[in-house]
Amino acid sequence: TQLLEQSPQFLSIQEGENLTVYCNSSSVFSSLQWYRQEPGEGPVLLVTVVTGGEVKKLKRLTFQFGDARKDSSLHITAAQPGDTGLYLCAGAQEYGNKLVFGAGTILRVKS
Amino acid sequence: GAGVSQSPSNKVTEKGKDVELRCDPISGHTALYWYRQSLGQGLEFLIYFQGNSAPDKSGLPSDRFSAERTGGSVSTLTIQRTQQEDSAVYLCASSPRVGQDQPQHFGDGTRLSIL
Repeated sequence: TQLLEQSPQFLSIQEGENLTVYCNSSSVFSSLQWYRQEPGEGPVLLVTVVTGGEVKKLKRLTFQFGDARKDSSLHITAAQPGDTGLYLCAGAQEYGNKLVFGAGTILRVKS
Repeated sequence: GAGVSQSPSNKVTEKGKDVELRCDPISGHTALYWYRQSLGQGLEFLIYFQGNSAPDKSGLPSDRFSAERTGGSVSTLTIQRTQQEDSAVYLCASSPRVGQDQPQHFGDGTRLSIL
């Protein structure tokens, strides 16, 4: 079973600070997705990274896929209270059609 | 509607009862997934359907859990003889077609509480 470990599990920061969330595995994934989930709602896809070493930017969010396609990071610059939520990474197995989800990082941004 | 719809949004039932959870995927999406999420945790894969192919049931935790998808659209997840450990949010997702790179569109889930 391929596992994805996310860290930290919980992060509480002040508005304007920067932060990085990590997603690590000992297994290779063909692609990796990041989702954000708010209470009472389903996860919403933020980005998909496919190529090792790929970097994608979405406004203040920067996503990176490791060269070996075993890890990924999400960096948020100048966090805002609206960034509060549960961030989930999900890896696509090289064989098969299922996503493997990490346990998530709960982010709280205080104003 | 434009998104994935799940019903009921909340379900409270007594231990030992059977429950049925419903998922209406986005029209035209051929792949449908069920997940279970405990409070503040990641998603545990349960089952997925792709078109007319046999479903992948490898994530179902016990034989009390079953799911079907009728006509390639609506899906129901059934839990028989519910136990307290079945309490969780059950999420459904659909995607345009099967493939690891396909984005999954999630419903808002059914919050199941077993008393």
